[in-house]
Amino acid sequence: TQLLEQSPQFLSIQEGENLTVYCNSSSVFSSLQWYRQEPGEGPVLLVTVVTGGEVKKLKRLTFQFGDARKDSSLHITAAQPGDTGLYLCAGEGGGSQGNLIFGKGTKLSVKP
Amino acid sequence: DVKVTQSSRYLVKRTGEKVFLECVQDMDHENMFWYRQDPGLGLRLIYFSYDVKMKEKGDIPEGYSVSREKKERFSLILESASTNQTSMYLCASALWDRAYEQYFGPGTRLTVT
Repeated sequence: TQLLEQSPQFLSIQEGENLTVYCNSSSVFSSLQWYRQEPGEGPVLLVTVVTGGEVKKLKRLTFQFGDARKDSSLHITAAQPGDTGLYLCAGEGGGSQGNLIFGKGTKLSVKP
Repeated sequence: DVKVTQSSRYLVKRTGEKVFLECVQDMDHENMFWYRQDPGLGLRLIYFSYDVKMKEKGDIPEGYSVSREKKERFSLILESASTNQTSMYLCASALWDRAYEQYFGPGTRLTVT
């Protein structure tokens, strides 16, 4: 069974700090997605990483896919209160297309 | 922008009732999905559909059925609601060839009493 483990589960920081959250697996994934979910809303797709070693930037967010395509990280520079939310990583599971496996998420709180 | 809408944000039903949750997307996506999200368990796939009238079971289909009569609409049916189906239900859609890039609706928080 493919699993995605996210760490840390919870993170509470002050505005302006940097942080990194991790998404790890013992399985190889053809791609990984990162989503952000705000309370009471559905997840919103942030990025897809496909190539081992790939780095993608989205303003203050930097996403990296591990060389072996088993792990990924999300780094936020100078966090702002608007970054608060649940960050989920997801990867394509085996079998039918679109069968995404989701990690349980990292709940980030950025205090002003 | 892709828009996925769900028929209700909050719903309270009694045990044994038949419950319909509707999802509509406006971007002509072939794939549509139903998930439930529970604390400590994350998002789990219930059913998905890759075409009109086509459906496939996800990881937890027991107690649920689905219907897709039109491309833009995907319904989740709880035939006889039970308290363990109290959850947040999320619908998503995606293009045929980018099924892993899913666009989610706002969710329906269902409480079964």
